[in-house]
Amino acid sequence: DAGVTQSPTHLIKTRGQQVTLRCSPKSGHDTVSWYQQALGQGPQFIFQYYEEEERQRGNFPDRFSGHQFPNYSSELNVNALLLGDSALYLCASSPGLAGGGETQYFGPGTRLLVL
Amino acid sequence: GEDVEQSLFLSVREGDSSVINCTYTDSSSTYLYWYKQEPGAGLQLLTYIFSNMDMKQDQRLTVLLNKKDKHLSLRIADTQTGDSAIYFCAVLFSGGYNKLIFGAGTRLAVHP
Repeated sequence: DAGVTQSPTHLIKTRGQQVTLRCSPKSGHDTVSWYQQALGQGPQFIFQYYEEEERQRGNFPDRFSGHQFPNYSSELNVNALLLGDSALYLCASSPGLAGGGETQYFGPGTRLLVL
Repeated sequence: GEDVEQSLFLSVREGDSSVINCTYTDSSSTYLYWYKQEPGAGLQLLTYIFSNMDMKQDQRLTVLLNKKDKHLSLRIADTQTGDSAIYFCAVLFSGGYNKLIFGAGTRLAVHP
């Protein structure tokens, strides 16, 4: 079992650009959540996808958007990048409600640096 | 709103026990978790406890839950240098689906 995978591992962008981060969930998991972890802080919930729809959203602006594909993989898109978007972006997957899926398993993260 | 608080730093001697504490505000949280993060890495699930339990033991790890005081602790027995990392307490937000609320993390330093 490969676990949760994310790509790329590192990314450098400049202000105003757009970025797409990718996540493949653990085998058998159908729910994907995204978190932002700023330096020295705990992860903050961005949003969650289930059945290809955004099911819940945290306190993040509309510049943050996502998508889930039929194979349950997911993308996180951030438009009009700001310096403050520099962070580790973590993807987590869980089995979903049908699987009694309260426990989330995290990927290694994508470290984004905005210059 | 929901909040999770942890002390920021803990230093212990190798071989001693470590106790990391966490308090939370959401009294309806059903699941409470401990994750470990090593430098430059993602989060590793260590253990979790369901809200109807007071204690859970898993090898060197013991989780204690005091629902009345909304206090969660993680005890690591026989702490080793490989346990040096940041430990995050997280609670499953009861307001909807699987949204985790994290503390800021406790940095555990193990010295010889």
